[in-house]
Amino acid sequence: GAGVSQTPSNKVTEKGKYVELRCDPISGHTALYWYRQSLGQGPEFLIYFQGTGAADDSGLPNDRFFAVRPEGSVSTLKIQRTERGDSAMYLCASSSPTSGTGELFFGEGSRLTVL
Amino acid sequence: KQEVTQIPAALSVPEGENLVLNCSFTDSAIYNLQWFRQDPGKGLTSLLLIQSSQREQTSGRLNASLDKSSGRSTLYIAASQPGDSATYLCAVKGFRETSGSRLTFGEGTQLTVNP
Repeated sequence: GAGVSQTPSNKVTEKGKYVELRCDPISGHTALYWYRQSLGQGPEFLIYFQGTGAADDSGLPNDRFFAVRPEGSVSTLKIQRTERGDSAMYLCASSSPTSGTGELFFGEGSRLTVL
Repeated sequence: KQEVTQIPAALSVPEGENLVLNCSFTDSAIYNLQWFRQDPGKGLTSLLLIQSSQREQTSGRLNASLDKSSGRSTLYIAASQPGDSATYLCAVKGFRETSGSRLTFGEGTQLTVNP
């Protein structure tokens, strides 16, 4: 597609529920990143995929968070047993390692609210 | 561990003024530095990217400089307009060996340009 697409744009859920957030990167971009941004803060790194594999998942806060990218394109961030502290904007970005610049392109984000 | 600091946290200026936003980082071994704009509740829009070998980049009324040895970057906005009101984020990208190609963000400068 023309840009990074994230769905849903807004998600409201109850504490303890399971949530999935989807990211569709720019076509041909093999690198994909997930970030989390709390209100008034800068984005914090969660996980980085190169192709289908998670090259760096050191930013995932705990084992309730998991992400997959089974075919090397679309990625899903999964959050189990959601807590109120998980409320944040979840941002996805992609880049093309072959471009040489390393520039990241971000989507519009998914706003998660846990009641 | 890379740390990025942005000063000031907030800035309010009258329309037409030239202004400078500051970004500093602790580890000078960076691959590139990117400046982003973020409107309230939205995703990140890339403004300028400076490679580690470059000193500055320009786009329209925006000019970003990089002094890697001192760990500093500035974003200069000429003839500011109310439409420039947004949060400006600075982010540095490390090398794969040290930080998995992730971007490390500052907390942003919230800019308000008054008509």
